Amino acid sequence: AQSVAQPEDQVNVAEGNPLTVKCTYSVSGNPYLFWYVQYPNRGLQFLLKYITGDNLVKGSYGFEAEFNKSQTSFHLKKPSALVSDSALYFCAVRTDTGRRALTFGSGTRLQVQP
Amino acid sequence: NAGVTQTPKFQVLKTGQSMTLQCAQDMNHEYMSWYRQDPGMGLRLIHYSVGAGITDQGEVPNGYNVSRSTTEDFPLRLLSAAPSQTSVYFCASRHTRTSTDTQYFGPGTRLTVL
Repeated sequence: AQSVAQPEDQVNVAEGNPLTVKCTYSVSGNPYLFWYVQYPNRGLQFLLKYITGDNLVKGSYGFEAEFNKSQTSFHLKKPSALVSDSALYFCAVRTDTGRRALTFGSGTRLQVQP
Repeated sequence: NAGVTQTPKFQVLKTGQSMTLQCAQDMNHEYMSWYRQDPGMGLRLIHYSVGAGITDQGEVPNGYNVSRSTTEDFPLRLLSAAPSQTSVYFCASRHTRTSTDTQYFGPGTRLTVL
């Protein structure tokens, strides 16, 4: 079975400061990892994904994520947070085995204060 | 492209009523799926389809039926609604069965069962 953990329900950061949203995963086989963002009353928007290759993945809106195989982590980062980054962030994992469906974490609410 | 569309946006049902949530995509995607989103639980897979005529169960299929008669449409049916089915429902699609493809989400249907 595959699973994703997002240990923080909420992350608070001041505008202009760096932000990190944590994600760890558990899978059998090679992981394919995704980050999505959800703004209020909207669907999920794709931010970035890791499939293979470079462990640092760059995505939309200045976000990036670092894949760490030994720690089974895929933390989302941004060097300088904006108030408009405030939203709900979901980490998800999929593999080539089994159902091949995305398994989501419980989500982390990011609040960026002006 | 309209992407993934869902109707209705909001729905209130009484216990025991039936309804169908509609989902359509115009990207010629093979893979389509339904998720429900509940607070603190992330998104959970209800049913999915890898192509027209092929459907399978996800994590939480009980109380829901699906069919896939065309590539474009993937309706979700609630045969006898229960208060436990109060949730936000998201439809998603991706191009192929390949695990590395990005999945795209509709705007969601907010369902309340009284």
